[in-house]
Amino acid sequence: SQTIHQWPATLVQPVGSPLSLECTVEGTSNPNLYWYRQAAGRGLQLLFYSVGIGQISSEVPQNLSASRPQDRQFILSSKKLLLSDSGFYLCATDVNEKLFFGSGTQLSVL
Amino acid sequence: AQSVTQLGSHVSVSEGALVLLRCNYSSSVPPYLFWYVQYPNQGLQLLLKYTSAATLVKGINGFEAEFKKSETSFHLTKPSAHMSDAAEYFCAVSSGGSYIPTFGRGTSLIVHP
Repeated sequence: SQTIHQWPATLVQPVGSPLSLECTVEGTSNPNLYWYRQAAGRGLQLLFYSVGIGQISSEVPQNLSASRPQDRQFILSSKKLLLSDSGFYLCATDVNEKLFFGSGTQLSVL
Repeated sequence: AQSVTQLGSHVSVSEGALVLLRCNYSSSVPPYLFWYVQYPNQGLQLLLKYTSAATLVKGINGFEAEFKKSETSFHLTKPSAHMSDAAEYFCAVSSGGSYIPTFGRGTSLIVHP
């Protein structure tokens, strides 16, 4: 079965600093990969998804970008963080139309 | 287009009482419907999934949900709440050629002793 690794678990960053969150998947090949953000009281917002290496679809125009340099690696980045980037970031993959999530990264931008 | 509405951001029940979490969806084609649970500081876990095989779907931890097409609903129930059921619950829908689900805003279940 697939396993999703996300790190770090928590992160505190100043406004204007860069960001790099990494997600890796084990136990599956050529997975579809997703980045979601969960802000307080706002549910889950799909940020990016990828169906293969170098293929990124952006759902919401914003201060973030994503990259997929390897088959099982998905990276979420920002050059300059905003206060509004604070939230809980979740990486996910799908198997048989069901999503499996990593344990998430709690990002606080101060 | 697809969307999900979860009625009530918070639901509070006593231990042993019935749990009912409401979800209504809109979809232009027959949907796949999901309930996910999120415990504090963790990712989401799938509780159950509806794919048209049966309208009553049984999930993990004693939860079940019933698909009612006429009401466009997929409410989640459990006969008797446990303290360990306290968590955030998300309803989601996917349909058509895209299996990427759209999530509701979530309902926080609070269980009182």
